Amino acid sequence: GDSVTQMEGPVTLSEEAFLTINCTYTATGYPSLFWYVQYPGEGLQLLLKATKADDKGSNKGFEATYRKETTSFHLEKGSVQVSDSAVYFCAPNQAGTALIFGKGTTLSVSS
Amino acid sequence: EAGVAQSPRYKIIEKRQSVAFWCNPISGHATLYWYQQILGQGPKLLIQFQNNGVVDDSQLPKDRFSAERLKGVDSTLKIQPAKLEDSAVYLCASSLGSSKVGNEQFFGPGTRLTVL
Repeated sequence: GDSVTQMEGPVTLSEEAFLTINCTYTATGYPSLFWYVQYPGEGLQLLLKATKADDKGSNKGFEATYRKETTSFHLEKGSVQVSDSAVYFCAPNQAGTALIFGKGTTLSVSS
Repeated sequence: EAGVAQSPRYKIIEKRQSVAFWCNPISGHATLYWYQQILGQGPKLLIQFQNNGVVDDSQLPKDRFSAERLKGVDSTLKIQPAKLEDSAVYLCASSLGSSKVGNEQFFGPGTRLTVL
């Protein structure tokens, strides 16, 4: 079945640092790719998504590009803020089915 | 627009007791999911409903877990009897239910279950 591997955390950065969280997946066909975020004390929420090869999803300064040739969907942000501290989940998805989540990567940003 | 509602938010029980969780999805969402999130891991699907029919329950431990979605709206997830390893956050999510590519799933706040 489909699966996903995320970079191990925790990731600890200073404010305004550059962020990359690696995500690679294995899947049949062409899944959609999602990044979900879980802020402390809150539920999971969609951060961004891409539905086909070379698509770039973006939101709140975060970006990720669907790379079919490397089966990757790495999350990046040029300048992180303390408020970005959260757990980030990469998840491929075949239409009409459940999300397949990675273990999550904890990001801690200090001022 | 109201989000996905879940109750209770927290539950503590002894092993071998039973427990039930309730979920009310976003109005008009045909597909409902129950996920289990063990501490330090990503959520894992337990069961997926399309309206009031089961689409996928392959990972549901059916000897102790059961779920229903009567009338295709609210859903309940039950554990009977609970084991220590059932301690987790139980997440309910819903989506419009189409097979449209990139269809977003919306998550509730979850129920944190502790089994002692």
